Amino acid sequence: DGGITQSPKYLFRKEGQNVTLSCEQNLNHDAMYWYRQDPGQGLRLIYYSQIVNDFQKGDIAEGYSVSREKKESFPLTVTSAQKNPTAFYLCASSIGGDEQFFGPGTRLTVL
Amino acid sequence: GDSVTQMEGPVTLSEEAFLTINCTYTATGYPSLFWYVQYPGEGLQLLLKATKADDKGSNKGFEATYRKETTSFHLEKGSVQVSDSAVYFCALSKNFGNEKLTFGTGTRLTIIP
Repeated sequence: DGGITQSPKYLFRKEGQNVTLSCEQNLNHDAMYWYRQDPGQGLRLIYYSQIVNDFQKGDIAEGYSVSREKKESFPLTVTSAQKNPTAFYLCASSIGGDEQFFGPGTRLTVL
Repeated sequence: GDSVTQMEGPVTLSEEAFLTINCTYTATGYPSLFWYVQYPGEGLQLLLKATKADDKGSNKGFEATYRKETTSFHLEKGSVQVSDSAVYFCALSKNFGNEKLTFGTGTRLTIIP
């Protein structure tokens, strides 16, 4: 079945550590996105990539980094520079139309 | 910049009640408009969309009409079910082709039997 997978579902991090969230899609979509979801604030765009080896900052990129070495993969690293990383992280992809397909999300908690 | 404002929740209704969740937007040009739904612990799913003025999107008994004159895209359903309990997000996109979405803050809907 085609879709988007994110792992892990739950992730715990100590302060000062970097952590990488995985996002994989087998939909053959060109574009991929990372969003952060906080209670009462909806979704905010962190980074997006329209093609392999290229990506752009979204609205809240500070403290995050990404790579896009393969079409099907778009990992997100939450660095120690991110001041308030506890949140629900959602990955999405699209094929050049208007609909984005979302993964199930990763809940990151900083201890 | 572009923005989406939607009705604050939470909203609690009895089963078979009529549902309206308001959504208005601010954007230049002619955005596409969307409603996404998020069930507990899951990602978002597209519920319906409209790409030009006066278009009506519909799915699973939900409807929304793109009203350019009032910059609105209100979500309606005539008779809600317990299974409709979820968080609903209104969103806009400026262009086709890998363009980012701008989301509202979401409205939590709870349907009681």
